[in-house]
Amino acid sequence: QVQLVQSGAEVKKPGASVKVSCKASGYTFTSHYIHWVRQAPGQGLQWLGRIDPSGGGGGTAYAQKFQGRVTMTSDTSTSTVYMELSSLRSEDTAVYFCARDNDHDYWGQGSLVTVSS
Amino acid sequence: DIQMTQSPSSLSASVGDRVTITCRASQGISNYLAWFRQKPGRAPRSLIYSASTLQSGVPSKFSGSGSGTDFTLTISSLQPEDFATYYCQQYYAYPRTFGQGTKVEIK
Repeated sequence: QVQLVQSGAEVKKPGASVKVSCKASGYTFTSHYIHWVRQAPGQGLQWLGRIDPSGGGGGTAYAQKFQGRVTMTSDTSTSTVYMELSSLRSEDTAVYFCARDNDHDYWGQGSLVTVSS
Repeated sequence: DIQMTQSPSSLSASVGDRVTITCRASQGISNYLAWFRQKPGRAPRSLIYSASTLQSGVPSKFSGSGSGTDFTLTISSLQPEDFATYYCQQYYAYPRTFGQGTKVEIK
């Protein structure tokens, strides 16, 4: 069965970076884009960007709001996608989700990132 | 960016009620619309894509309709597991954008 399993919770100081992983299984990893979505405490869903894990022509697409701060990469040998967010501030405290394809048919369980001094 | 506006923001209903949530896009998005249900502390679950197609395993009490700018999600008979927050999302253009959510509470 399709599964997206994310890395655990992180606590970071302002200005630091965080790298969250999303390991896929149960399907052909390179055939489906992975999107990243976050949710601040008590708030709605916000799209950060997506990656074509095959490393092919699809590349990456990032929300302009996060351009320059977010980097998405993939490792086909382990079927894992990574999302790195830099220059963290308190407003980046949120649960970060990975989701498959444009229709987000499968989701990871979420990774809580807390930014606090 | 395409703005997605849901209404209502919240509603109270009883088990067995029929509930309709609407989602309006700030510009035409054809049928590139998805609906999600999220329970507290959980990841969202995909219910509908392409505005009206049920995801595999989603019960037929859920239905979606619309095209262009106006969309609806209907739950024909609310069950206890349906008391949650619902989101629409457009995937017509980047950046993908979500509605602000509709919280369905028990009356």
